[in-house]
Amino acid sequence: QVQLVQSGAELKTPGASVKLSCKTSGYSFSNNVISWLRQVPGQGPEWMGRVFPSSGGTYYSPRFQHRVTMTRDTSVSTVYMELSSLRSDDTAVYYCARGDVFDFWGQGTLVTVS
Amino acid sequence: DIVMIQSPDSLTVSLGERATINCKSSQSVLNSARTKSLVGWYQQKPGQPPKLIISGASARESGVPDRFSGSGSGTDFTLTISSLQAEDVAVYYCHQYYNSPQTFGQGTKVEIK
Repeated sequence: QVQLVQSGAELKTPGASVKLSCKTSGYSFSNNVISWLRQVPGQGPEWMGRVFPSSGGTYYSPRFQHRVTMTRDTSVSTVYMELSSLRSDDTAVYYCARGDVFDFWGQGTLVTVS
Repeated sequence: DIVMIQSPDSLTVSLGERATINCKSSQSVLNSARTKSLVGWYQQKPGQPPKLIISGASARESGVPDRFSGSGSGTDFTLTISSLQAEDVAVYYCHQYYNSPQTFGQGTKVEIK
């Protein structure tokens, strides 16, 4: 079955960077784009960008473009998202999700910036 | 960016009654072939990621009960729960994937009366 399993919770200080992982299984890794989103409690999800596993190509939301990097490692069917220059308002649950419309999601990773 | 506005923000419905959620996009999200609108609907329960229940504005995902239906085209969309069950208590979001950045509505909280 399709699974996206994310890395564990992170506590960071302002100005630091965080790198999250999303390990996929149960489908052809190269054939499906993976997006990263985040969600602050009480708000709707916010799309941050996407990575195309086959090529490694990326497309970032202009809101994050200057401080986000998304990569992939095809040998372990895993995608990564690094966010730099963290601020307190980056505190959120971060999700990876598959496809143009998000049919499968990771369990989420809480990132706390304090 | 395309803005998605949902109404109402919250909804209280009796068990077995109909629940209707509306979503309006700031511009058309009809695909270039004019065959479907690129809107999805998600259900989110506390502590869980969103779950896709409708794609292409009206296509129900596999395993989703048929009491859930989506309709609309262009800029106006509706999610209907025909007979509300206790397990449907959740926050529902609409989402446009017509262009990037993809955007979501602010959410509608559905509760039991």
